[in-house]
Amino acid sequence: NAGVTQTPKFRVLKTGQSMTLLCAQDMNHEYMYWYRQDPGMGLRLIHYSVGEGTTAKGEVPDGYNVSRLKKQNFLLGLESAAPSQTSVYFCASSYLNSGWDYGYTFGSGTRLTVV
Amino acid sequence: DAKTTQPNSMESNEEEPVHLPCNHSTISGTDYIHWYRQLPSQGPEYVIHGLTSNVNNRMASLAIAEDRKSSTLILHRATLRDAAVYYCILRGSYNNNDMRFGAGTRLTVKP
Repeated sequence: NAGVTQTPKFRVLKTGQSMTLLCAQDMNHEYMYWYRQDPGMGLRLIHYSVGEGTTAKGEVPDGYNVSRLKKQNFLLGLESAAPSQTSVYFCASSYLNSGWDYGYTFGSGTRLTVV
Repeated sequence: DAKTTQPNSMESNEEEPVHLPCNHSTISGTDYIHWYRQLPSQGPEYVIHGLTSNVNNRMASLAIAEDRKSSTLILHRATLRDAAVYYCILRGSYNNNDMRFGAGTRLTVKP
């Protein structure tokens, strides 16, 4: 059982380039999330999805787009990368709302550097 | 949003118990208290959560104050592998998109 898999693990981009980060989960979770973590800080929510075909903005959505065409995949896109987007990106997934849940399952992260 | 307050850092000796505090004075009646930890260079990992009663699992125990305005994560015997940043987070029971991470508590375990 792989859980949440993120690709790639590392990437260096030049300012203005575009890229897509892929998150895949095999737990049949409804909810999926993208976070970013800057050095010494906690995670901040970029976008999230409550199901296939639906997405919503989180705390820091500017400069990012997302898509959830399949339940198991959640893509994060950077159309024109900026140095301020240098960060570690984490994907997570969780079950649909319930009174008692077992929390989020996180991937191992993608370290992105924009030069 | 209800917020939590944690110490920036704590130290512990190996094989001793560790009590990590969290204050959440504005908690609402439907908020669950969740704890996650993040080991170096890894994604956060679920530790434990609870609503009103104390909770135990294989990783830790969660002690919740009677007024629910504070809680304590208890690691019964700290190991070097427990060195991590520990996050205390409040989540509404019917809102699955509100996982807000603060700076957490950085736990150092000394051999």
